[in-house]
Amino acid sequence: SYVLTQPPSVSVAPGKTARITCGGNNIGSKSVHWYQQKPGQAPVLVIYYDSDRPSGIPERFSGSNSGNTATLTISRVEAGDEADYYCQVWDSSSDRWVFGGGTKLTVL
Amino acid sequence: EVQLVESGGGLVKPGGSLRLSCAASGFTFSSYSMNWVRQAPGKGLEWVSSISSSSSYIYYADSVKGRFTISRDNAKNSLYLQMNSLRAEDTAVYYCCGVRDAFDIWGQGTMVTVSS
Repeated sequence: SYVLTQPPSVSVAPGKTARITCGGNNIGSKSVHWYQQKPGQAPVLVIYYDSDRPSGIPERFSGSNSGNTATLTISRVEAGDEADYYCQVWDSSSDRWVFGGGTKLTVL
Repeated sequence: EVQLVESGGGLVKPGGSLRLSCAASGFTFSSYSMNWVRQAPGKGLEWVSSISSSSSYIYYADSVKGRFTISRDNAKNSLYLQMNSLRAEDTAVYYCCGVRDAFDIWGQGTMVTVSS
């Protein structure tokens, strides 16, 4: 089955840029979606189809996907960005949705 | 307002059954494929099951296949998850999700606890 690998944690100072990676075999050939989940809340879609932003998501959130790594980039990080972030793909070989293990973003 | 509201969670003994419901409003439910996603306490997200807009395509995670059944009633704008032979490892918050581009719409979740 397809596996997505995320770092358990990423720390960044306010105003700096956070990069959260999502590794998978030839993930660049798949569409990657990213979700933000704050404590006690349901997840929220922040990036879809690798790099598109839903309405209402700040331009500070961006995504890229190539080779074996997809990346969620958060520019000018704010305290309110502190959350868990999950990547997701559809694995067509098994007809399964797959989530990464999640990355806890800490704003120092 | 676009909304998904889950219900039906609770405490159930191992081997027991539970039926979750998800009521949709504020969007054209019949045009969306729908999913269930769960999250065990302190853990990450786990996809459980998908159903296409017309119920033509249904998929399950290996961990629930043969025990859980997803269904929908477009006339009632509702999604369901029948859960049988429940195990302790099924304990989680269960979210229903609407899919247009990705999992665009999420409910607030309903807690299922499997314990004796």
